[in-house]
Amino acid sequence: KNQVEQSPQSLIILEGKNCTLQCNYTVSPFSNLRWYKQDTGRGPVSLTIMTFSENTKSNGRYTATLDADTKQSSLHITASQLSDSASYICVVASGNNRLAFGKGNQVVVIP
Amino acid sequence: NAGVTQTPKFQVLKTGQSMTLQCAQDMNHEYMSWYRQDPGMGLRLIHYSVGAGITDQGEVPNGYNVSRSTTEDFPLRLLSAAPSQTSVYFCASRQTRLAGGAGELFFGEGSRLTVL
Repeated sequence: KNQVEQSPQSLIILEGKNCTLQCNYTVSPFSNLRWYKQDTGRGPVSLTIMTFSENTKSNGRYTATLDADTKQSSLHITASQLSDSASYICVVASGNNRLAFGKGNQVVVIP
Repeated sequence: NAGVTQTPKFQVLKTGQSMTLQCAQDMNHEYMSWYRQDPGMGLRLIHYSVGAGITDQGEVPNGYNVSRSTTEDFPLRLLSAAPSQTSVYFCASRQTRLAGGAGELFFGEGSRLTVL
């Protein structure tokens, strides 16, 4: 049973528009949550990290939120660019030193 | 700073052949790991190591062997390749502890393996 579920599986957005990706998890005990960006043909790279006490964190046009009570996180992309076309992977770290991976949100930005 | 280096980037094997995927990191990370990534399956852990001389199985270890003789290197061996092992393989390293803000995974660029 996957402990990290991401939605939508894929989406297509117009350049300049905003979008929000969702990550729901059941991992317990919770340590932190990271969003990774994986460009086609490359390895994933960390975008943001959310710890238990953090609600919102921004990295340029990327804003991550965390609701530890409902065990949900979102990644909002503002004013999308063609370079935002990628897979976004949610990874949750547990208190017993293990990582649980979501299957990713595939984002395609079209001009 | 090279980070995590994987070789080769591409490889084609015939069923039954053996090969080794190489992985090296220069960040002095104790934890190293191998993942495979298949369409619709996400990243799945094959084997991992928490230090030199220590290895353990992940979620999908069958058909793969690993060893960790140094902190820097963590090769992945396919003893007898099967078509089911066609995949993209990623090596990753991180700090051992995950508490607080620690534990960022640093990935290599991937090795695309095709088994005919």
